[in-house]
Amino acid sequence: DAKTTQPPSMDCAEGRAANLPCNHSTISGNEYVYWYRQIHSQGPQYIIHGLKNNETNEMASLIITEDRKSSTLILPHATLRDTAVYYCIVRVWNYGQNFVFGPGTRLSVLP
Amino acid sequence: EAGVAQSPRYKIIEKRQSVAFWCNPISGHATLYWYQQILGQGPKLLIQFQNNGVVDDSQLPKDRFSAERLKGVDSTLKIQPAKLEDSAVYLCASSLDRRGSRAFFGQGTRLTVV
Repeated sequence: DAKTTQPPSMDCAEGRAANLPCNHSTISGNEYVYWYRQIHSQGPQYIIHGLKNNETNEMASLIITEDRKSSTLILPHATLRDTAVYYCIVRVWNYGQNFVFGPGTRLSVLP
Repeated sequence: EAGVAQSPRYKIIEKRQSVAFWCNPISGHATLYWYQQILGQGPKLLIQFQNNGVVDDSQLPKDRFSAERLKGVDSTLKIQPAKLEDSAVYLCASSLDRRGSRAFFGQGTRLTVV
């Protein structure tokens, strides 16, 4: 079972920041937080991941709380092409560990 | 860098027929995953390979599903015989075998069993 909890759906106005929350209250010290998204009819696409510190790349920012029990993915200026299902995954790097997907959050970016 | 290649992209078969899917992972990626994604759900792991050895196949319906990874590179997933409930997208992914690595996914094969 997935170790994360996400809202099933969210809306965001085009051009505004989209803030997608994720709860992972049972995360252990060696588990990374990963974010993927899946646009209709495509395979999941990697967005960003982190362990303790906040991370930023060309696609998004990842904010992890100090206790690591929750995180927020931020898309700074959402576009219509960001409409997708977003998955938050926690995963330890260890032999045999895979990426466990929950139902994710369906983000709709509205014009 | 080339991505994960999968074929075919779409497949329609009748129940009780057999079908095979092919995956070519990113060069150098030791870990290969096959996921099944039923409409409206997140992907579910079927089998995970480390090089050409099976790491986890606990959720693979072994009475009808089989998979192999030849020489630790390409992989095939087979279903024989197919059931209606096997209709889904089958996703292949690969990753490096190191801390903090990410998985790269292919486009998937959409299977419809009629």
